[in-house]
Amino acid sequence: GQQVMQIPQYQHVQEGEDFTTYCNSSTTLSNIQWYKQRPGGHPVFLIQLVKSGEVKKQKRLTFQFGEAKKNSSLHITATQTTDVGTYFCAGPGGSGNTGKLIFGQGTTLQVKP
Amino acid sequence: GAGVSQTPSNKVTEKGKYVELRCDPISGHTALYWYRQSLGQGPEFLIYFQGTGAADDSGLPNDRFFAVRPEGSVSTLKIQRTERGDSAVYLCASSFGPADGYTFGSGTRLTVV
Repeated sequence: GQQVMQIPQYQHVQEGEDFTTYCNSSTTLSNIQWYKQRPGGHPVFLIQLVKSGEVKKQKRLTFQFGEAKKNSSLHITATQTTDVGTYFCAGPGGSGNTGKLIFGQGTTLQVKP
Repeated sequence: GAGVSQTPSNKVTEKGKYVELRCDPISGHTALYWYRQSLGQGPEFLIYFQGTGAADDSGLPNDRFFAVRPEGSVSTLKIQRTERGDSAVYLCASSFGPADGYTFGSGTRLTVV
């Protein structure tokens, strides 16, 4: 079945360093979404990318959707302790607007002050 | 309401018992989703409602799991004859439509002993 994979699983960085997580789908995606889950919290929607090659920025966060619409990345510039959490990518689990999202297993970011 | 509300926040039940988990979505959100999340994993799709009807229930693991949304707002996830393997955080989310980012609730942590 369709799979969404993320690497790395864990990342420890010093505050101020950059961080990148990569997301790969076994199938072409109509769109990809990113969520952040703080420790003990629930996933919070960050962004949705729809177009091939799309790049979107939110302050220090840069999101990219691959040309083939099978991969995506999230890059954080100059990490802060508030960036701590697990970042999930998710793509539709089927054709059209099925309402079903397949989540990756997440990348957990730890930031040392 | 202001956010997605889930009750109870924690539920401990004995193996074999029946449980009901409730979700109150954001007012106006016609799409409602149930996911479950085990420790260290991404959310796993269970079921998606569009209005009152279950548009996709392909994620329900077996016939012990059932969900309803009779008036197109509040939803209840029902689990019969609970097993220890059902222990997880059950997350509800809502959105305006299946192509939009989800707003998740804080989840119900279910522990089957």
